[in-house]
Order: sequence, then structure tokens, then C-alpha cells
Amino acid sequence: GQNIDQPTEMTATEGAIVQINCTYQTSGFNGLFWYQQHAGEAPTFLSYNVLDGLEEKGRFSSFLSRSKGYSYLLLKELQMKDSASYLCAVRSLYSGGGADGLTFGKGTHLIIQP
Amino acid sequence: DAGVTQSPTHLIKTRGQHVTLRCSPISGHKSVSWYQQVLGQGPQFIFQYYEKEERGRGNFPDRFSARQFPNYSSELNVNALLLGDSALYLCASSRGMASTGELFFGEGSRLTVL
Repeated sequence: GQNIDQPTEMTATEGAIVQINCTYQTSGFNGLFWYQQHAGEAPTFLSYNVLDGLEEKGRFSSFLSRSKGYSYLLLKELQMKDSASYLCAVRSLYSGGGADGLTFGKGTHLIIQP
Repeated sequence: DAGVTQSPTHLIKTRGQHVTLRCSPISGHKSVSWYQQVLGQGPQFIFQYYEKEERGRGNFPDRFSARQFPNYSSELNVNALLLGDSALYLCASSRGMASTGELFFGEGSRLTVL
């Protein structure tokens, strides 16, 4: 089976930096994804990592270490609109889920304070 | 261009009834996936369809079924509804089996079972 762990809730200050960690256990690892979901809205894609290292996209960066089963999402220059849930998801070759069958964590609810 | 559209947006059913949820993918996307999201949890994968064939299946009972039509739209059917089926049902589309994993989610159909 697959297991994904991420903190339930985090609080950060506007303008600051926050790092959201995700650990996973899976066989046949084939990619790690981060999605953002505002309350009452659909998840939106943030990043994709399949090789070790850091992927940077504007204020958002995502890191992956396959040997450690670990990823983090780094958000810089936090804005109030970044208050949302951040979902870590893993794709596995052996899950029977096909190319689009992701296993999601429970999500990290990020609260941005002024 | 229109995003992923789902209907209905909200519906209320009673135990034992069946429900059909509909999804139209982004134009040009050939893959449609269905996810169930219970309040406070991450989405859970139900099915993926690509080119009208089932390409992935999650850990859901046979009461759940789906199909994809020649125009790539899709339906999710749930029979013999249980209280525990109350959730947000999300449809996601992507370009296909070779995609890097970016899923485009619709706003979802919120099902309440009484």
C-alpha cells in the first residue's frame, strides 16, 4: 500500500517563508505532486517532481529526495491569498491507478496571518 | 477555453438510491479521472478512463462504476447509496497517458446522502 504524511495545520506570517513537509512510502514511485486547494474550490496543480532535487516556479519551490521518501513545498513572500490547503500526492506504477491515479495525503491547512 | 465542467453541483439523495454524475473534460483532453473527497481529507482516486477504456481503478466497491463517451465526457454512477458516500466528487482531466501528471479538476459535485 501507500502512505503519505503531512502536517495537519501550519501558521505563517505574511511576507515570510514557510516549508510544508511530506513523507511517503510507496513501491514503484513514479512522481510526486503538490496541489493547492482553497476552501470550497477545486485543487489546482502547483508542482511535479520525479527526479531528486529542487524545482522552482516563481514564489513556489518543491524538493524531492526519493531515497528518503521525502518532499517539501517552499512558499516565499507569503501573501494572504496563500491561505489554503496544500495536498501532497504520489503516483505509483503498481497502484493500479493508471497514469492519473494519484494517492493524496490529507492536506496541510496553511493559515497566513497579517 | 472552458475548464472541466461537472453536473450537478449539488444533490441530495436517500440511502439505497442511485446517482449519476457527469463530467466534461477540457477540450483536447482524452483522460478523465474521478476522485472522492470527504470533508477534511485529500481526494481519493476512484477511476481513470482514457480513450473510453478503464485504465485505473481505486479501492472502491462495485457499487461505483463509470464510463467514458466518444466525445471524452464521462459519467460516474453510484448504486445503493450509503450515508458514507456523502462527499465531494471531483472529476479531473489531462492530456493522456503520457502526461506529467498535471490534472485539471472541476469544481465538483457535492453529494449528500440522507
